[in-house]
Amino acid sequence: GQNIDQPTEMTATEGAIVQINCTYQTSGFNGLFWYQQHAGEAPTFLSYNVLDGLEEKGRFSSFLSRSKGYSYLLLKELQMKDSASYLCAATTGTASKLTFGTGTRLQVTL
Amino acid sequence: GAVVSQHPSWVICKSGTSVKIECRSLDFQATTMFWYRQFPKQSLMLMATSNEGSKATYEQGVEKDKFLINHASLTLSTLTVTSAHPEDSSFYICSAHWTSGRHTQYFGPGTRLTVL
Repeated sequence: GQNIDQPTEMTATEGAIVQINCTYQTSGFNGLFWYQQHAGEAPTFLSYNVLDGLEEKGRFSSFLSRSKGYSYLLLKELQMKDSASYLCAATTGTASKLTFGTGTRLQVTL
Repeated sequence: GAVVSQHPSWVICKSGTSVKIECRSLDFQATTMFWYRQFPKQSLMLMATSNEGSKATYEQGVEKDKFLINHASLTLSTLTVTSAHPEDSSFYICSAHWTSGRHTQYFGPGTRLTVL
């Protein structure tokens, strides 16, 4: 079966750095997505990792270790607007089917 | 970037009625579309995979006779919730698979269904 775990909630201070972890156990793993979702809205794409290592994109970076079944999303210079849910999702098989983790609700405080 | 639309964005209906939700890829052809359901404070749960010109593939526990999916063209998939009940109230989100792009799934804005 597919199993993807994330912390349920996190709190961080504006201007700080936060790391959201994701562990996965899936068969037929292709790659790992990170999405941001604000309440009542659809997810928006943040990153996609296929190879091991860190990919940086502005304030957001994502890391993948295929051998460890582990990924993290790193958010730097946190802003209030970064308060949202962050979903990791593994893509498996040939149909690019996505299996989502439980999501992490991040609250950025002053 | 690829754009996916959903219609309606929200709907309120009476228990026992049927509701149709449309998902359209506006600027690309999508051979595969996915339908998700999301309950409050929970993550997205895949309901079914919709393939153009063939029957949808449903995830375990999803009733295919209750959630009818039709993927009649490369740009349109519809989800019909038949005989809706209050427990079907949820946020329904579709995504379209774009094979030409690295980010292979693009999400629609979602449809909020409330069954009274």
